[in-house]
Amino acid sequence: NAGVMQNPRHLVRRRGQEARLRCSPMKGHSHVYWYRQLPEEGLKFMVYLQKENIIDESGMPKERFSAEFPKEGPSILRIQQVVRGDSAAYFCASSPLGQSGTGELFFGEGSRLTVL
Amino acid sequence: AQSVAQPEDQVNVAEGNPLTVKCTYSVSGNPYLFWYVQYPNRGLQFLLKYITGDNLVKGSYGFEAEFNKSQTSFHLKKPSALVSDSALYFCAVRDTNNYGQNFVFGPGTRLSVLP
Repeated sequence: NAGVMQNPRHLVRRRGQEARLRCSPMKGHSHVYWYRQLPEEGLKFMVYLQKENIIDESGMPKERFSAEFPKEGPSILRIQQVVRGDSAAYFCASSPLGQSGTGELFFGEGSRLTVL
Repeated sequence: AQSVAQPEDQVNVAEGNPLTVKCTYSVSGNPYLFWYVQYPNRGLQFLLKYITGDNLVKGSYGFEAEFNKSQTSFHLKKPSALVSDSALYFCAVRDTNNYGQNFVFGPGTRLSVLP
């Protein structure tokens, strides 16, 4: 049973380009979370999605950032017109249970974005 | 909204000594509490959780944590530290009265076990 798969593991972009980060949750999981981690800092919540629904995007910057979790395929975190401050590790986590569940989150290995 | 505090940025302990990494939380309902560990350039790994029942929870790699409702704490402990325990540790909480909310993570505590 494969874990949470994130790709790419490393991504380099120049300022103004777009970054797309993909996350395939564990088999049977329908809840996905995205977090951002700056160097030497903790995790910052970005967005919580279920299939075809954004449940909580209170941590997403209002501009340039978007996320989706389609019926088929991985969840995508998209960053348009990247700036140097977007350089960070982006972690995806999935959960098997609904909102009232007791389950822990299962994390991927992260995608490390570097903006030149 | 729920919140988590880890009052120590850094904890240093000698190998073989007991270790404690502190965590306090704030929720409106009953908490679900979690500890995770992160090694360099890796994702977070689940260590243990408290949902209900016995206040002392045992987890992976010999770690345990004690839930204290009156002090709203969930400190992580290990009787005898190993150098390989050196990592970043995160406490997290989920509020049973706030099902629509995400997990909330503390800022992390860096544990250094000295040989």
